[in-house]
Amino acid sequence: GAVVSQHPSWVICKSGTSVKIECRSLDFQATTMFWYRQFPKQSLMLMATSNEGSKATYEQGVEKDKFLINHASLTLSTLTVTSAHPEDSSFYICSARVNWRGRETQYFGPGTRLLVL
Amino acid sequence: GQNIDQPTEMTATEGAIVQINCTYQTSGFNGLFWYQQHAGEAPTFLSYNVLDGLEEKGRFSSFLSRSKGYSYLLLKELQMKDSASYLCAAGTDSWGKLQFGAGTQVVVTP
Repeated sequence: GAVVSQHPSWVICKSGTSVKIECRSLDFQATTMFWYRQFPKQSLMLMATSNEGSKATYEQGVEKDKFLINHASLTLSTLTVTSAHPEDSSFYICSARVNWRGRETQYFGPGTRLLVL
Repeated sequence: GQNIDQPTEMTATEGAIVQINCTYQTSGFNGLFWYQQHAGEAPTFLSYNVLDGLEEKGRFSSFLSRSKGYSYLLLKELQMKDSASYLCAAGTDSWGKLQFGAGTQVVVTP
């Protein structure tokens, strides 16, 4: 299947700092990428839909000024957690949408664990 | 509203068969996905059903009934490495947005 990478895989930062997470589709172009957050023993929660060349669409309850998303190219989307606080500590996962001959698939990156101290 | 229901946990022995059911109520439905997620890892794609019926892929099969809002994932010849959380997800709009269920933890015992 298609490969999606995320960088970094682990981040530990101090409260108040900003953290940038990159999501790349390695062998295909993705006009649409998604950002999820997952807390321990819970399912994935969609944060936002990232479309190349346009503003991201945020889910209800997700602060767009805190979670900045930029989809600068067909292979790269970035999520920046601004002024991170301990409650932002979570597993952040991106996915890239692939639609080939009418068949939908979303491939997930390996995830980024964020720990805010 | 949107709702995806699946059992919390299932236990089965090695070599057995397990069927994970999923019921959904979503608007703008455009397909049903199954993902496998091992602890501490990201989900990996297993299957996608958009038409009614059964799709078989090796030891895994997935079934969809759109009229009943129902799907199942069938795992055959269970192996220890199949112990994981299985996530049912419904495609909910033309952008490909997915609504995930809470996941079913499958425990395979020797």
